[in-house]
Amino acid sequence: GAGVSQSPRYKVAKRGQDVALRCDPISGHVSLFWYQQALGQGPEFLTYFQNEAQLDKSGLPSDRFFAERPEGSVSTLKIQRTQQEDSAVYLCASSQTRETEAFFGQGTRLTVV
Amino acid sequence: GNSVTQMEGPVTLSEEAFLTINCTYTATGYPSLFWYVQYPGEGLQLLLKATKADDKGSNKGFEATYRKETTSFHLEKGSVQVSDSAVYFCALSDLRGSQGNLIFGKGTKLSVKP
Repeated sequence: GAGVSQSPRYKVAKRGQDVALRCDPISGHVSLFWYQQALGQGPEFLTYFQNEAQLDKSGLPSDRFFAERPEGSVSTLKIQRTQQEDSAVYLCASSQTRETEAFFGQGTRLTVV
Repeated sequence: GNSVTQMEGPVTLSEEAFLTINCTYTATGYPSLFWYVQYPGEGLQLLLKATKADDKGSNKGFEATYRKETTSFHLEKGSVQVSDSAVYFCALSDLRGSQGNLIFGKGTKLSVKP
C-alpha cells in the first residue's frame, strides 16, 4: 500500500478483555516499530522488529503486551487482560532500514472501559 | 536517561507571525534530532532532522539548528500559515544511526488564525 495501515482505527474493550491491533507496513520495509501514545503525551517506544525478528522489546510495559511479525510483514500487537491504563493510541511505524526515515500509521485508539 | 523537553502549548498565532517552539534534550553520546508534525486526522510525519552538532534541518519554511552547547533544537518559521496548524513533536534517537527508536517530547499544539 501507499502508507502504513493500522486497524482497527478505534477499539473499545471492557477491562479484562484481550485485544489485537494490526499493522500493515509499507511493502518492502524491513524495520517495524510500535509506540504507545497516552492522551496529551508524546509517543513512547514499545518494540522493534527487523523482518520477523523482534530485536528490542524493552519498552513493553508488562508481560500482558505481546507483539509478533511472523512473516516479516504484517505485525500484531496483542494486549491481554486489558486495564484502564492501557487506554492510548497505539502507533506503528515502518522504515526501509533502521537508519532511514520511519513512516507512521494513523494509529489505533484503544479505550478500555 | 535520555529525554526531550519541549514548550507546552497550545500556541496560538495570527497568520504571518513568527513561530518558535523550544526543544531541549538530555542525552549521552551524539543523538540525532527530529521534528515531527501531526496534522488533524493524520499520522506523524517527519518535518526535519539534524544528525550532528551545528547541522540545520529545514523543510516547508521550518528550520531548526542542532545546538550541542545548549542541548537545544528549537523549531522556527518566519511566517506561519493557517495550514501549519498541527501538533509538533521534538524527538531524539538514542540509538546511533537509527531513525525509528525515538524518544519524543510531549508535543506542542499550534493554532494559526487567519
